[in-house]
Amino acid sequence: SYVLTQPPSVSVAPGQTARITCGGNNIGSKSVHWYQQKPGQAPVLVVYDDSDRPSGIPERFSGSNSGNTATLTISRVEAGDEADYYCQVWDSSSVVFGGGTKLTVL
Amino acid sequence: QVQLQESGPGLVKPSQTLSLTCTVSGGSISSGGYYWSWIRQHPGKGLEWIGYIYYSGSTYYNPSLKSRVTISVDTSKNQFSLKLSSVTAADTAVYYCARGPTYYDILTGPTGWFDPWGQGTLVTVSS
Repeated sequence: SYVLTQPPSVSVAPGQTARITCGGNNIGSKSVHWYQQKPGQAPVLVVYDDSDRPSGIPERFSGSNSGNTATLTISRVEAGDEADYYCQVWDSSSVVFGGGTKLTVL
Repeated sequence: QVQLQESGPGLVKPSQTLSLTCTVSGGSISSGGYYWSWIRQHPGKGLEWIGYIYYSGSTYYNPSLKSRVTISVDTSKNQFSLKLSSVTAADTAVYYCARGPTYYDILTGPTGWFDPWGQGTLVTVSS
């Protein structure tokens, strides 16, 4: 089965740039979607189709996807960005989620 | 805007059937070409997709849960439901309903993202 690998944690200082990776075999050939989940809350879509943002999501959130790695980039990180982030793709008609990355704002 | 709300028992006994309902408001479950899914999250863990349904009743389930899962839809009530049979403690989780997959790809079938999600409901399996 298809596996998505995310780093368990990423730490960044406020105002800096956070990059959260999602690794998978030839993931560049798939569409990747990203979700933000704050404690006690449901996930929220922050990037879809590799790099598109839903309405209401700040431009600070962006995505890219090539080769074996997709990346969610959060620019000018704020304290409110501290959350778990999950990547998601489809493979063989089923949904695959990455294991999640906890973003800590120092 | 579309909103989803899960409802159902928070406690289920082992070997019994877990039953949850998702009520969709702010839009029709039958319009827009959307599919509707159930996703769960074990305590402190990641997300696990359970399955989806289309308003016509067409379903697809996670192969790892397929033998125990039934998802149904009631368009008259704008609801869809989840039944998970023969539950064990390993089925203790927060269960979310969500809109998605988002569209149908002619080559790969239903695909896309999940948005929005319900707030989630914790179901504990315990005697």
